[in-house]
Amino acid sequence: QLQLQESGPGLVKPSETLSLTCTVSGGSISSSSYYWGWIRQPPGKGLEWIGSIYYSGSTYYNPSLKSRVTISVDTSKNQFSLKLSSVTAADTAVYYCARNSIVVVPAALDYWGQGTLVTVSS
Amino acid sequence: QSVLTQPPSASGTPGQRVTISCSGSSSNIGSNYVYWYQQLPGTAPKLLIYSNNQRPSGVPDRFSGSKSGTSASLAISGLRSEDEADYYCAAWDDSLSGRYVFGTGTKVTVL
Repeated sequence: QLQLQESGPGLVKPSETLSLTCTVSGGSISSSSYYWGWIRQPPGKGLEWIGSIYYSGSTYYNPSLKSRVTISVDTSKNQFSLKLSSVTAADTAVYYCARNSIVVVPAALDYWGQGTLVTVSS
Repeated sequence: QSVLTQPPSASGTPGQRVTISCSGSSSNIGSNYVYWYQQLPGTAPKLLIYSNNQRPSGVPDRFSGSKSGTSASLAISGLRSEDEADYYCAAWDDSLSGRYVFGTGTKVTVL
């Protein structure tokens, strides 16, 4: 059974960089059939897609976050990571990692991590 | 701001049928597949419908999806108390070099 687990600091100071890692178990991140994505959800609000990465390193980013986001993949560790720079309180959210099936572009998010709350505060 | 619009709430009594709409445009729903996610309180979203109307293994056939033009719908028939959750539609949007967009979300309450 595929499992995804987010890890990283739960508290980040304003203007600093948020860094999270998603560890994939029960399957290979190097599969040619999937992208791997990050999604976030501010407290009490809806879902926002951040971006997705293919095992080769090819990425899609949300244009509204693109200038601050970097998603990378480490196939040797079966992990992919998120970096979000210059954070503000508006970046406080539960961050989820998930597996994207592919229909030419990232498609259904069929497996999700449990999510991790990241609070931006001094 | 979400580009897919859903009603903020929907409700029904046990056994009733509830329908949730998702309105988009030609660059998203009009030209790509629609997905639906269920988010129970305090949990991660779960894929409910993919490719407009397909159910993943384990999803009851009480849940059904449809799409017409630039709109989509999720129907829940035989409503049960455990269906009380937030529901989100989603689709790939071809504008702005491509992006995955979610709907505004609908809270379903079982009365």
